[in-house]
Amino acid sequence: EVQLVESGGGLVQPGGSLRLSCAASGFTFSNYWMSWVRQAPGKGLEWVANIKQDGSEKYYVDSVKGRFTISRDNAKNSLYLHMNSLRAEDAAVYYCARARSLGDSSPPDYWGQGTLVTVSS
Amino acid sequence: AIRITQSPSSLSASTGDRVTITCRASQGISSYLAWYQQKPGKAPKLLIYAASTLQSGVPSRFSGSGSGTDFTLTISCLQSEDFATYYCQQYYTYPRTFGQGTKVEIK
Repeated sequence: EVQLVESGGGLVQPGGSLRLSCAASGFTFSNYWMSWVRQAPGKGLEWVANIKQDGSEKYYVDSVKGRFTISRDNAKNSLYLHMNSLRAEDAAVYYCARARSLGDSSPPDYWGQGTLVTVSS
Repeated sequence: AIRITQSPSSLSASTGDRVTITCRASQGISSYLAWYQQKPGKAPKLLIYAASTLQSGVPSRFSGSGSGTDFTLTISCLQSEDFATYYCQQYYTYPRTFGQGTKVEIK
């Protein structure tokens, strides 16, 4: 059974940093593109970042470029999102998600339960 | 970035109704469009990909159509478990973008 379990969310002050983790199991993690998608309270879904199987390609939404870094450790079956210079508008539930197929042009099919990031002083 | 305009933002329907939701992309995205269902407090669930291909395990009352810029999600006979919010997403290019969502409520 495919499982994605996020952790690392919490309360952080504006300008602060946080690292989110996603532990993957039930599939060959190193074979798949992975994503982070977020959802602000009461709002819609926003794609944040994608990373290729070997980490050699990374893509970001403009609003997080230069502040967030997506990474992965295939030996640990883990995906990460390093978030710096956090702003109030970054507050959201952050979901880790797996691409449906091995290629880049594939939507996420499996999603974690999400981890809540709150940015407030 | 490609803008996805989803409509309506909400609708009220009864069990057994046929429901249609549309997404329009600001430029052509071929068939690189997915539909998701999300219930409160839960992660999104993939319903349809490649505009019209049903994800494994999804009931056949869900269907998708379209290509290029105009896409439709149809629920042929609404069931109680279908009351949720639906999103479309283009994965043709980066940044990936979602529609604003359509909340399907009980009439």
